[in-house]
Amino acid sequence: QKEVEQNSGPLSVPEGAIASLNCTYSDRGSQSFFWYRQYSGKSPELIMFIYSNGDKEDGRFTAQLNKASQYVSLLIRDSQPSDSATYLCAVHNAGNMLTFGGGTRLMVKP
Amino acid sequence: KAGVTQTPRYLIKTRGQQVTLSCSPISGHRSVSWYQQTPGQGLQFLFEYFSETQRNKGNFPGRFSGRQFSNSRSEMNVSTLELGDSALYLCASSLEGGSRRDTIYFGEGSWLTVV
Repeated sequence: QKEVEQNSGPLSVPEGAIASLNCTYSDRGSQSFFWYRQYSGKSPELIMFIYSNGDKEDGRFTAQLNKASQYVSLLIRDSQPSDSATYLCAVHNAGNMLTFGGGTRLMVKP
Repeated sequence: KAGVTQTPRYLIKTRGQQVTLSCSPISGHRSVSWYQQTPGQGLQFLFEYFSETQRNKGNFPGRFSGRQFSNSRSEMNVSTLELGDSALYLCASSLEGGSRRDTIYFGEGSWLTVV
């Protein structure tokens, strides 16, 4: 069974700090990897996705992929209280099918 | 450019009834997938449609079904509702759904409560 693992948290960081969110996956055939942010009572909002080994930056967000270690991470620089949410890691295996981790709850304290 | 549109947003049904949820993907997107999100199970894949054909299916009972129309709009149906079907049902769309470069976007979801 394809699995995606995330630490459920909560991960607490002070405002302005770097938040580091991690995710591991079991299927070596996975093609691409997504990070979604979900506020309570809302639907997942796409932050970014990555499919090549290395880093991908978009504003304050950096996704890192290491296929050999089956590990993907999301760094949030200059964390803001508005970043407080649950962050979902998802692995794209086939078609339009995503396998999700359980999510990491991030709390950014002013 | 309009996003993924789901209707209805909120609904309450009684056990044993059936429900139909609708999804309009982003214009030009041909792949639509459905997910169920519950506090206990998280986000789980239900099924995916592409060009009116079911391409992938998750591990859900046959009470859950779906279809896609020629304009890529999709519906999902749950028959003989159970209390455990209470969840947020999410629709996601992507261009083709087969490329690793495809971006997958979610709609706002349909909140179903079964009483």
